[in-house]
Amino acid sequence: VQLVESGGGVVQAGRSLRLSCSASGFTFNDYVLHWVRQAPGKGLEWLALLSYDESRKSVRDSVIGRFTISRNNLKNTLYLQMNSLEVDDTALYYCARGREGAPFDNWGQGTLVTVSS
Amino acid sequence: SYVLTQAPSVSVAPGETASITCVRNNIESEIVHWYQQQPGQAPVLVISYNNDRPSGIPARFSGSSSGNTATLTISRVEAGDEADYYCQVWDFNRDYWVFGGGTKLTVL
Repeated sequence: VQLVESGGGVVQAGRSLRLSCSASGFTFNDYVLHWVRQAPGKGLEWLALLSYDESRKSVRDSVIGRFTISRNNLKNTLYLQMNSLEVDDTALYYCARGREGAPFDNWGQGTLVTVSS
Repeated sequence: SYVLTQAPSVSVAPGETASITCVRNNIESEIVHWYQQQPGQAPVLVISYNNDRPSGIPARFSGSSSGNTATLTISRVEAGDEADYYCQVWDFNRDYWVFGGGTKLTVL
């Protein structure tokens, strides 16, 4: 099982960034996928989830309207489109997988997003 | 709002037992999961569904819940257990996952 995030980098506040999470080693369609972030020196913050058929989609209140989760099941890839980025969005962004309603049994290593003012 | 409260830090000597708590009103009615995050690493699930150990997790790790407190217990603590530990619960009202603030376990 492998989850590999990419797309992070340094971006100015107000700009956009799209993160990707490439999955391999398991049946992509069998899992709900999540984005979780961790600001430097801080704890884990769940952001969003998406089921394989997109029937289950949920996004944290604080990023609704700015962050959009999506997936391409043909490419085994999860995305996080982040718009109107703020300095407080600076964090390591992880993707993780889990069964419906279940905890996260595998995580990627994260991609770092730094938002400068 | 749904808040899970964890003590910022816990210290224990090698070979002793560490108890890491996660507090919320009536948490015993919830399903709690626990993650370990070692420095510079991604989190790893160590306890699921209150007290199930995923494959590969030592039996020294166990979970319990009573009243307002869920507890991750690590018996015979080793230096390699030094890490941050997070509890996690599903918030049915807001339809999303919530993590506790995390507890840093220091092995003296």
